[in-house]
Amino acid sequence: GESVGLHLPTLSVQEGDNSIINCAYSNSASDYFIWYKQESGKGPQFIIDIRSNMDKRQGQRVTVLLNKTVKHLSLQIAATQPGDSAVYFCAERPPAGGSYIPTFGRGTSLIVHP
Amino acid sequence: EAGVAQSPRYKIIEKRQSVAFWCNPISGHATLYWYQQILGQGPKLLIQFQNNGVVDDSQLPKDRFSAERLKGVDSTLKIQPAKLEDSAVYLCASSLEPGNIQYFGAGTRLSVL
Repeated sequence: GESVGLHLPTLSVQEGDNSIINCAYSNSASDYFIWYKQESGKGPQFIIDIRSNMDKRQGQRVTVLLNKTVKHLSLQIAATQPGDSAVYFCAERPPAGGSYIPTFGRGTSLIVHP
Repeated sequence: EAGVAQSPRYKIIEKRQSVAFWCNPISGHATLYWYQQILGQGPKLLIQFQNNGVVDDSQLPKDRFSAERLKGVDSTLKIQPAKLEDSAVYLCASSLEPGNIQYFGAGTRLSVL
């Protein structure tokens, strides 16, 4: 299940289940969104991106959904594996005068139980 | 393709001491970012360079933090003097263009005692 701890929200799933990680973004003018995965002791790593003119994009085992009406992103991971255990961040890119300074969300910790 | 290189990986200092971090971005990436990541939080942008110019440093504590990218390639981030609350992982990232997919280094974990 999903819980909000003292720090990161945590999602615990069983291996083989599908996972859904949610993200609320702040700027309705943001035109580009990226999901990153951060494993322990490493920097964030790109997973998938989506532009604001799309509402869905699929990758290998991952799907990103964008709902601009409620400023919400979700990352769906199919057949979750232990190697998917990590912290997942969404990042939005507001078009700030052409500088495109990205902003990271708080992150969700995904724990996959074998 | 070589990734973003950062050094050192770990650093332990006492408060009021100085420390410097180094970053070598992916070749050809014009945009370089320095982030501070406190345990349990997302990366917080400290400074963004486009080539050797500063695009944004609004969240950089300029009384103690400084960064430079003199030749538009490597960058250094310095803290002088360090405070206890500076304990964090300092991440460097680069991208081809501003706001595009960022490639991160492994980070430098700083502990200030």
